[in-house]
Amino acid sequence: QVNLLQSGAALVKPGASVKLSCKASGYTFTDYYIHWVKQSHGKSLEWIGYINPNSGYTNYNEKFKSKATLTVDKSTNTAYMELSRLTSEDSATYYCTREGDYFDYWGQGVMVTVSS
Amino acid sequence: DIRMTQSPASLSASLGETVNIECLASEDIYSDLAWYQQKPGKSPQLLIYNANSLQNGVPSRFSGSGSGTQYSLKINSLQSEDVATYFCQQYNNYWTFGGGTKLELK
Repeated sequence: QVNLLQSGAALVKPGASVKLSCKASGYTFTDYYIHWVKQSHGKSLEWIGYINPNSGYTNYNEKFKSKATLTVDKSTNTAYMELSRLTSEDSATYYCTREGDYFDYWGQGVMVTVSS
Repeated sequence: DIRMTQSPASLSASLGETVNIECLASEDIYSDLAWYQQKPGKSPQLLIYNANSLQNGVPSRFSGSGSGTQYSLKINSLQSEDVATYFCQQYNNYWTFGGGTKLELK
């Protein structure tokens, strides 16, 4: 069965960076793009960007171009998202999700809290 | 960017009732529309794709319809496990979500 397992919650200081992971299993990792989605507390969902695990090609929402960097490690079927220069506005839950146009499988989400 | 406007923002309904949630796109999205259900503390789950196709394993009381810029999600015979927040999403031009509809029991 398809599973996307995300790393645990993170508490980070303002100005720091954090790297989130998303380990895929149950399907051929390189057959589907991996997307990342942000959900601020109690709010809607924002698309951050996607990565093609086969080629490493990335495409970002303009809003997150200077905030997020997406990478993959094909040897471990793992996608990563690094968030840089963190502020309180980055405190949110972040999801990885598999795309077949729409998002058919989601990770469990990881809560990032930015606080000194 | 394509904007997705969902209504209502919140909804209270009784068990067994029929519920409708609407989603309006800022331009024609050619039925590239999905609906997701999110329960508290959980990740979103795909219900409907291509505006009216039911995802495997989703109960048949859920249905989607619409075309062009106007779409809707219908829940027949509301069950207690349907209490959740529902989001629409367009994937015609990148990916954007509606603001969500919080469904509660009356």
